[in-house]
Amino acid sequence: DIQMTQSPSSVSASVGDRVTITCRASQDLTNWLAWYQQKPGSAPKVLISTVSKLQSGVPLRFSGSGSGTDYTLTITSLQPDDVGTYYCLQAKSFPLTFGQGTRLEIK
Amino acid sequence: QVTLRESGPALVKPTQTLTLTCTFSGFSLSTTAMAVSWIRQPPGKALEWLSVIDWNDNKFYSTSLRTRLTISKDTSRDQVVLTMTNMDPADTATYYCARYLRGHDFGYYFDSWGQGILVTVSS
Repeated sequence: DIQMTQSPSSVSASVGDRVTITCRASQDLTNWLAWYQQKPGSAPKVLISTVSKLQSGVPLRFSGSGSGTDYTLTITSLQPDDVGTYYCLQAKSFPLTFGQGTRLEIK
Repeated sequence: QVTLRESGPALVKPTQTLTLTCTFSGFSLSTTAMAVSWIRQPPGKALEWLSVIDWNDNKFYSTSLRTRLTISKDTSRDQVVLTMTNMDPADTATYYCARYLRGHDFGYYFDSWGQGILVTVSS
């Protein structure tokens, strides 16, 4: 199984800050990596697929980058609505695996 | 518009078998690159992928749970069913079904999710 190590586990930042979340895979994902946002009491929502493809309706302050085993989700100019938990997903091979999540809060 | 909805019991007893149904609309599971997956999330914990079935009836399972899981589809009714045997209190979680896109033209990811169903395992 491919292991996904996500960091940090939690982050607290101020409105307007730049926030970076990383995922490291135990093997090359050949860019089959997606990012999800989950708000309390709700299902996850896809933000980015295939490393950097922003989904429809997702604000441009979200972006993804990376290759091989290392991938990054960046939020430029953090907004209050960005509070939630973020997960990466590897879709290189079955079984699919998620990162352990990053809880994002506003200072 | 793609929608998915989970249904099943809210409470099961230890050792019982859980049967969950995902009823979806807005796509067909007989269309190339379409798949439906199950994911669960224990209270306060991370997402855990369980299983997937695709348009070609390929089935894949979580390594740790594969002996307890069975996934099937009824294309005519637009439903996917997941059974999990020998339920334990540690299986208490919100169970989600989601559409999984599976093709180089679409990418490989969950693009639409159901609202989830909380299943509690307790005697």
